[in-house]
Amino acid sequence: DAGVTQSPTHLIKTRGQHVTLRCSPISGHKSVSWYQQVLGQGPQFIFQYYEKEERGRGNFPDRFSARQFPNYSSELNVNALLLGDSALYLCASKIRGENMNTEAFFGQGTRLTVV
Amino acid sequence: AQSVTQLGSHVSVSEGALVLLRCNYSSSVPPYLFWYVQYPNQGLQLLLKYTTGATLVKGINGFEAEFKKSETSFHLTKPSAHMSDAAEYFCAVSSSGGSNYKLTFGKGTLLTVNP
Repeated sequence: DAGVTQSPTHLIKTRGQHVTLRCSPISGHKSVSWYQQVLGQGPQFIFQYYEKEERGRGNFPDRFSARQFPNYSSELNVNALLLGDSALYLCASKIRGENMNTEAFFGQGTRLTVV
Repeated sequence: AQSVTQLGSHVSVSEGALVLLRCNYSSSVPPYLFWYVQYPNQGLQLLLKYTTGATLVKGINGFEAEFKKSETSFHLTKPSAHMSDAAEYFCAVSSSGGSNYKLTFGKGTLLTVNP
């Protein structure tokens, strides 16, 4: 069975550009969350989507946005990229979104480098 | 607000020695607690979790952790380290209510296993 898949695995962008990261959850999972992991730090929560609705938002600027599609896949968009946006972006999927006692499965991440 | 403190950003042990990775949490409501492992250039893999019930939790790869409410701790242990245990370990907290849609991670502990 396929796990959580993220694309692309790596990309390099220039300051000021826009980027779209994609995530496909495990089949049957309806919740997708996004985390940012800066080098040397733990992951920081950005968004959670469940049943195509935003259920939670972390402390990130409005340059960050996301959406979930009818097939439960998700996109994370970042506008006006800054050097500080360079990080590993992780996607996590769960069967349901309302209880954290259900396991979150993480993808391998997208490594974004802003130059 | 919830938070996690991992004591020791780097722990080094010899192969066969006891592994002890420390985690203290802060939560105003009963917490759910998790340990994740991250290998280089990989996503996060769940080692074990505490939600309710037995305070000693056994996970994969011989790891276990004990929830101690009085000490607000959830330390991770393994009796005998193996070379393959070398990785970064993250403790995370969520809750049974309120911000139950996200994980709050510590900064991580890098485990080195020496032959």
